[in-house]
Amino acid sequence: QKEVEQNSGPLSVPEGAIASLNCTYSDRGSQSFFWYRQYSGKSPELIMFIYSNGDKEDGRFTAQLNKASQYVSLLIRDSQPSDSATYLCAVNPGYSSASKIIFGSGTRLSIRP
Amino acid sequence: DGGITQSPKYLFRKEGQNVTLSCEQNLNHDAMYWYRQDPGQGLRLIYYSQIVNDFQKGDIAEGYSVSREKKESFPLTVTSAQKNPTAFYLCASSIAGVRYGYTFGSGTRLTVV
Repeated sequence: QKEVEQNSGPLSVPEGAIASLNCTYSDRGSQSFFWYRQYSGKSPELIMFIYSNGDKEDGRFTAQLNKASQYVSLLIRDSQPSDSATYLCAVNPGYSSASKIIFGSGTRLSIRP
Repeated sequence: DGGITQSPKYLFRKEGQNVTLSCEQNLNHDAMYWYRQDPGQGLRLIYYSQIVNDFQKGDIAEGYSVSREKKESFPLTVTSAQKNPTAFYLCASSIAGVRYGYTFGSGTRLTVV
């Protein structure tokens, strides 16, 4: 079982709609959760982090965390063509590996006009 | 402005040659990391360092070497023992404990010719 799993996509969403990206993780002791956006040929850029169960909103982005289900998601409201990218879910997997982050393989999102 | 600088942006390696990728940060971060990304795949950890003069192997350290003589610098050498080095190499840094995630450099694309 992979430590961080994401659907590779591509996920195609019409412009203006809500894009929903999902991620599951295997280490129940995981402490910190991150979403990175990566445009083709570029390096990843941190867009959200969340530590506690529930929702965290920042502009058009909402991160949702459910530790009981070991599930984290990212919602993008009013999707724009500029949101087309690969989204990497990442997890700090707990005290035994407190100094590093494990990445999922990414979900490719395409916003169609 | 604070950030991480990777150089060169593109690098070509001949068979049997060692090459060194540079990574410098002025964020005063304690920890630094090297990841490798292959097309359509996630990030795999090569080496990481939490303090000067100390570093740990990641998941795919074979064929690579690093040094951490200064807090600001964490160069990666791709040796001739790395049989499939063509990839996108990403350097990152963070505060201790990665609570706020990584900051990434812009990456080095290495190609074997």
